[in-house]
Amino acid sequence: NAGVTQTPKFRVLKTGQSMTLLCAQDMNHEYMYWYRQDPGMGLRLIHYSVGEGTTAKGEVPDGYNVSRLKKQNFLLGLESAAPSQTSVYFCASSYGGQGNYGYTFGSGTRLTVV
Amino acid sequence: GQQVMQIPQYQHVQEGEDFTTYCNSSTTLSNIQWYKQRPGGHPVFLIQLVKSGEVKKQKRLTFQFGEAKKNSSLHITATQTTDVGTYFCAGPNNQGGKLIFGQGTELSVKP
Repeated sequence: NAGVTQTPKFRVLKTGQSMTLLCAQDMNHEYMYWYRQDPGMGLRLIHYSVGEGTTAKGEVPDGYNVSRLKKQNFLLGLESAAPSQTSVYFCASSYGGQGNYGYTFGSGTRLTVV
Repeated sequence: GQQVMQIPQYQHVQEGEDFTTYCNSSTTLSNIQWYKQRPGGHPVFLIQLVKSGEVKKQKRLTFQFGEAKKNSSLHITATQTTDVGTYFCAGPNNQGGKLIFGQGTELSVKP
């Protein structure tokens, strides 16, 4: 049972380049989330999805887009990367919503934008 | 806006000493969750507390949820080097229930 798998694990981008981060879960969870983690800032929610075909903005959505075409996959896109997007990105999933269920996190993607 | 605050931000202890981190919410929470993140790792769910005044134990870890359901604590008895990491509390926000995470308490343990 893999849980939540994120690819890639590391990436270096030049300012203005685009990329997509992939998150896949095999637990049949309805809810999926993208967080970014920066020193001293904790985990901040970028976008989330409450089910296949749905997405919604979180706390810090600017500069990111997401898609959830299949229940098991949640993609995070950066259209034009900026140095301020240098961070560690975590995908997570949960069985249900309303914060009533624990989240399962992926191992993270460390992104550097130069 | 709604906030979840944790103190202290850092804690350095000698192996065998106890450790406590505190979590305070600006609003009443339906539940509180705790996560552990090892250095270089990802957050791992530890426990969820739901009832007012609830106390749960996991070996040397004791979790408490305050009577007013606005604060919580995690206490580790006789720390070991395996306890090193950052401990996060998280509670549902009042807009759809997405989890809001505290900034975390980073624990280091000196052998």
